[in-house]
Amino acid sequence: KNEVEQSPQNLTAQEGEFITINCSYSVGISALHWLQQHPGGGIVSLFMLSSGKKKHGRLIATINIQEKHSSLHITASHPRDSAVYICAVMDSNYQLIWGAGTKLIIKP
Amino acid sequence: EPEVTQTPSHQVTQMGQEVILRCVPISNHLYFYWYRQILGQKVEFLVSFYNNEISEKSEIFDDQFSVERPDGSNFTLKIRSTKLEDSAMYFCASTMGLGLAGALEQYFGPGTRLTVT
Repeated sequence: KNEVEQSPQNLTAQEGEFITINCSYSVGISALHWLQQHPGGGIVSLFMLSSGKKKHGRLIATINIQEKHSSLHITASHPRDSAVYICAVMDSNYQLIWGAGTKLIIKP
Repeated sequence: EPEVTQTPSHQVTQMGQEVILRCVPISNHLYFYWYRQILGQKVEFLVSFYNNEISEKSEIFDDQFSVERPDGSNFTLKIRSTKLEDSAMYFCASTMGLGLAGALEQYFGPGTRLTVT
């Protein structure tokens, strides 16, 4: 059974700080998603990656397939980045297995 | 930009009643999904649907649940006899399917909050 572990569970930082959220998983995957969930509940896909690194604006996602680990970085964090960030891995049946999320609060 | 839509945004129902949650996936997508998130818990996979049939389903997706694509645009989740523990946010998602490099990105609807009283 594939387990997805995220750390930290909660993260509070000051505006402008560099943020790192980590995700580890236990078995082979076909792809990994990073998603953002706002207080209203809606889910937005940020990245899907299966190797290397992707960048979109101030967001960077990396994955190390051998180590079964991925990180999401936010540069120059802003209060509007406050949300829950979720890592989800796609297994061999193309099902998404979800992490518990990291609640990020950026203080002005 | 195309988006997945869901209706209603909030549904309140009494225990034992049937509910139908509706989703309109992105029009050229081929794979459709339902997920559930009980308040304060992880999102959980319920079911995937392709070519008018269920591809995969989780242990949660028992005989009380069914899915249908009745008219080529809507994708529905029916819960036959709701229980208190069915109270959750239900998300629909769709994807074009499998590209040359494997699975493609899923696009999520805004969710339907189901409250069973």
